[in-house]
Amino acid sequence: AQSVTQPDIHITVSEGASLELRCNYSYGATPYLFWYVQSPGQGLQLLLKYFSGDTLVQGIKGFEAEFKRSQSSFNLRKPSVHWSDAAEYFCAVGDDYKLSFGAGTTVTVRA
Amino acid sequence: KAGVTQTPRYLIKTRGQQVTLSCSPISGHRSVSWYQQTPGQGLQFLFEYFSETQRNKGNFPGRFSGRQFSNSRSEMNVSTLELGDSALYLCASRITGGQGDTQYFGPGTRLTVL
Repeated sequence: AQSVTQPDIHITVSEGASLELRCNYSYGATPYLFWYVQSPGQGLQLLLKYFSGDTLVQGIKGFEAEFKRSQSSFNLRKPSVHWSDAAEYFCAVGDDYKLSFGAGTTVTVRA
Repeated sequence: KAGVTQTPRYLIKTRGQQVTLSCSPISGHRSVSWYQQTPGQGLQFLFEYFSETQRNKGNFPGRFSGRQFSNSRSEMNVSTLELGDSALYLCASRITGGQGDTQYFGPGTRLTVL
């Protein structure tokens, strides 16, 4: 069965600093991978997705993610964090009919 | 194009009652999925509907049910509510339900069971 691990429960980063969120997946075939962001009291917003092709994927809000098959990873990065990036971030792998999510990483941005 | 909408946004019920949540997918999307989000269990798949048929179901008791209408709008029902049913219920829609289709989420319905 597919699964996703997000090793970091909580990350604190200074505004303007870089951010990297880790995601490891377990999936037998070529994975369909997603990153979603959730602000407090809101639903999930898609940041980016990987299906195939270029392993570096660009998303919205200045985010990017790199797919590394050898490491079963799909880490999310942002070069310079803004206070509005404070939220919870979920990595997910898609199978035939559903998404399997990681436990999420909460990002706190300090001034 | 309007996004996924869910009504109501907030609900408070008491144990033993039943509740119905509604989801309107993005126009043209035929697949609707429901997820439950709790602090303890995270995001868990409930079920998926496509063309008015339940195609897939997660590991939830029979108290959780749903349906989809001909216009793709979907409802989910929870009967005999328990305290543990308190959660954010998220609806997601996608075009056909294929593996590669992106799921777009609504804002959720926050259910509190007292």
